[in-house]
Amino acid sequence: NAGVMQNPRHLVRRRGQEARLRCSPVKGHSHVYWYRQLPEEGLKFMVYLQKENIIDESGMPKERFSAEFPKEGPSILRIQQVVRGDSAAYFCASSTDGSVGPQHFGDGTRLSIL
Amino acid sequence: GDSVTQMEGPVTLSEEAFLTINCTYTATGYPSLFWYVQYPGEGLQLLLKATKADDKGSNKGFEATYRKETTSFHLEKGSVQVSDSAVYFCAEGGAGSYQLTFGKGTKLSVIP
Repeated sequence: NAGVMQNPRHLVRRRGQEARLRCSPVKGHSHVYWYRQLPEEGLKFMVYLQKENIIDESGMPKERFSAEFPKEGPSILRIQQVVRGDSAAYFCASSTDGSVGPQHFGDGTRLSIL
Repeated sequence: GDSVTQMEGPVTLSEEAFLTINCTYTATGYPSLFWYVQYPGEGLQLLLKATKADDKGSNKGFEATYRKETTSFHLEKGSVQVSDSAVYFCAEGGAGSYQLTFGKGTKLSVIP
């Protein structure tokens, strides 16, 4: 059984470019969460999505960041016009229902901004 | 907002030593409590959890007890191995919530 799949594992972008991070949840999971991990920090909640719906985006910066979870295909976290401060590890998690336990995490995408 | 505080690392132990990583939380009520482990270059794996007061979560020789009176969920292992070297995160999630709140993580290095 495949777990949460994230790609790419590593992504390098120059300032001003766009970054697209993909997440395929565990098969059968319809609830997806994105978290960001800054260096030497714990993970911080960004957004919670169900199929075709954003349920809570309170942890996501209001500008340049967007997320979607279409009816078909993976969830996408999109960062436009990246800046150095966007450098972080971005983790996706999924669950069978909208709860904290348990959430299954992917291996993350490590984003580096030059 | 809610927060989780765990002991700062790095922690370096010799193989077969006893491990304790302290964790306290501020959430009111009865949140669910978790320990996640992150091996180098990987994502977080759920290590153990507890959902109500006095519950003990256990897995792979690790244990943690949900202490409501001290709002704590300390991680312990009686005899660590080199393969336990990783970063350990304590986390809490409120009842009915979907947001996990994480501590900053504690890096453990076990030397032979």
